[in-house]
Parts: sequence; C-alpha cells; structure tokens
Amino acid sequence: AQKITQTQPGMFVQEKEAVTLDCTYDTSDPSYGLFWYKQPSSGEMIFLIYQGSYDQQNATEGRYSLNFQKARKSANLVISASQLGDSAMYFCAMREATGKGNMLTFGGGTRLMVKP
Amino acid sequence: SAVISQKPSRDICQRGTSLTIQCQVDSQVTMMFWYRQQPGQSLTLIATANQGSEATYESGFVIDKFPISRPNLTFSTLTVSNMSPEDSSIYLCSVGQMLSYNEQFFGPGTRLTVL
Repeated sequence: AQKITQTQPGMFVQEKEAVTLDCTYDTSDPSYGLFWYKQPSSGEMIFLIYQGSYDQQNATEGRYSLNFQKARKSANLVISASQLGDSAMYFCAMREATGKGNMLTFGGGTRLMVKP
Repeated sequence: SAVISQKPSRDICQRGTSLTIQCQVDSQVTMMFWYRQQPGQSLTLIATANQGSEATYESGFVIDKFPISRPNLTFSTLTVSNMSPEDSSIYLCSVGQMLSYNEQFFGPGTRLTVL
C-alpha cells in the first residue's frame, strides 16, 4: 500500500487565489512527521513546512499552512494568495519514528500551475 | 538550516562510464541520504550514507552499482557505475540531524543524462 498519496497530478489556480494540495498518509506508528517540499523546474527541493503527529496546532509558515486532520490521516497544504512563482511540483513526505532514522517517504507529487 | 552543495550540477555521460557526485555540507550532520528522481517521477531513497562504515542500501539498489563514501560528517560521494540510459535522473543529497525530526534539507541536485 502507498504510504503517501497525492491524488492530484496537476492543478491550476488563478493568481492571488488560495489553493489546497491534498496529501493522505498511511502509518501505524503513533510518532511521525509530515513534510511538504516545492520543486521548481531547476530541480532543487525546497522545504516548505513541517507537521509533527503530536503537534496540537496546524503548522503555518508565511503563505503556507498545513491542514492536519489526524483522524482522517490527511495533511493538506494550503497556499494563500498564489503567486506566479508558486508554479512548481509539490511533494508531500512522511518520516516515521520507528522507520529507518530520518528517511523520508514521498508521494507522487502535484504539479501546480498559477495562471496570471 | 544547513547549506548543501553538490558537484557536478549536471552532466551528460556515455553509457558504460561512471560518474561520482559530491555532496558537501557547511556544518556537521548526523544523517546523509542519497535519493534518485527519475524523469517525471517522485523521489526514491537509494541509501543512507554512514560515516565510517558501509552505506545502508534500499531494496533495488546495490553497492556495486551505487558505491557511496562518507569519510566525515560534512561530505559524501555517490558513484553511478557502468551507466545506462535508465540511470538518467536527478540525484539529490539530503541531510538531517538525528534528533531534529522536523528538519531535512536537500542539496540542489545533480541532473544526469546518459546517452
């Protein structure tokens, strides 16, 4: 079974609007962390935001916020006020505490395209 | 956050040859990893680079094909041996600290094309 599922291969959003990128995960480990990365066409992986399984509040970093619904095992990324520079691939990833150290398991990614 | 550099940033190689990719970090890190991203795909972990001992490889990756060195806490190399066109990928170095679960950073990647 897939540990990280991103069901939206591609999405369009109008500039200045908000967009939600979906991520669901599967783990039996009570301690885990969820990451979102942005990958522009240059190929680098840019860390955006982190949510720990025991965190009481949803993580926020500037225009990025994470809608963490633990019971549903979802960790959706919300980007507010989209900008043209947000056009990129976005990857959700998970680290499990009882897994292999700090190893990350990645979802298949979502390509976001921001329309002017 | 750690500053990570990789060399080369990109290369075009002939099949049957080998390429060594370097990963340098500006501070000591406990964990270093090598990932592969094939065209249009997500990232797959190749191995964990262990300082002073043999790397730990994931299923489907072997030391003869992807030898890894990690002589200290700031540097690692990945060699892609006897290359074929199927090895054309982005190779990414990633680092983290053992007890810092909320951080894991990536280098800029090495874009490899095998002809």
